[in-house]
Amino acid sequence: TQLLEQSPQFLSIQEGENLTVYCNSSSVFSSLQWYRQEPGEGPVLLVTVVTGGEVKKLKRLTFQFGDARKDSSLHITAAQPGDTGLYLCAGELLTNAGKSTFGDGTTLTVKP
Amino acid sequence: DTAVSQTPKYLVTQMGNDKSIKCEQNLGHDTMYWYKQDSKKFLKIMFSYNNKELIINETVPNRFSPKSPDKAHLNLHINSLELGDSAVYFCASSLGRGAQFFGPGTRLTVL
Repeated sequence: TQLLEQSPQFLSIQEGENLTVYCNSSSVFSSLQWYRQEPGEGPVLLVTVVTGGEVKKLKRLTFQFGDARKDSSLHITAAQPGDTGLYLCAGELLTNAGKSTFGDGTTLTVKP
Repeated sequence: DTAVSQTPKYLVTQMGNDKSIKCEQNLGHDTMYWYKQDSKKFLKIMFSYNNKELIINETVPNRFSPKSPDKAHLNLHINSLELGDSAVYFCASSLGRGAQFFGPGTRLTVL
């Protein structure tokens, strides 16, 4: 059983569409990160959220941390082919500081 | 400027061999990590060092031995390689806890 479950696992959409990726857990996290990984490269940090209910925006990407700090979502508006990649959420448990646990990832394909 | 670098990028070797992967970060971070990413893209932590001291050691076979000569380097040595060791290994670093910066990965193939 994954500590952090992401959904959907795979997502294929047309350019211009909107999408939301979810990262859920039954555990409480002190912080949560979202990363994007492209083929042949390492994950690249997109954002860190630390406060329950926090919303952060990065151009067309909107990240939200749940009020109870157990879940998070990533919303992309008007997706572009350049958004294609593997999206990973990672959290640091409140009870196990210093160790990040990764979700199983969402593979996004945006078709032109 | 390279932030987290790993060598080699690709490593192809026979079962039973011993190999090492090197990692260096120039970000001034105090914590470094090794992760294994399997064919399903799941990223699993193996080890973590803070100021050259081992702080996380997940359930990893004893054949895997990390070494941190200084805060900027964390190397991974693997003895008696097995087929199941084939994966992409990522080094990462962070300043304290939380957000991590990853290297480009080392694709290990054991034949």
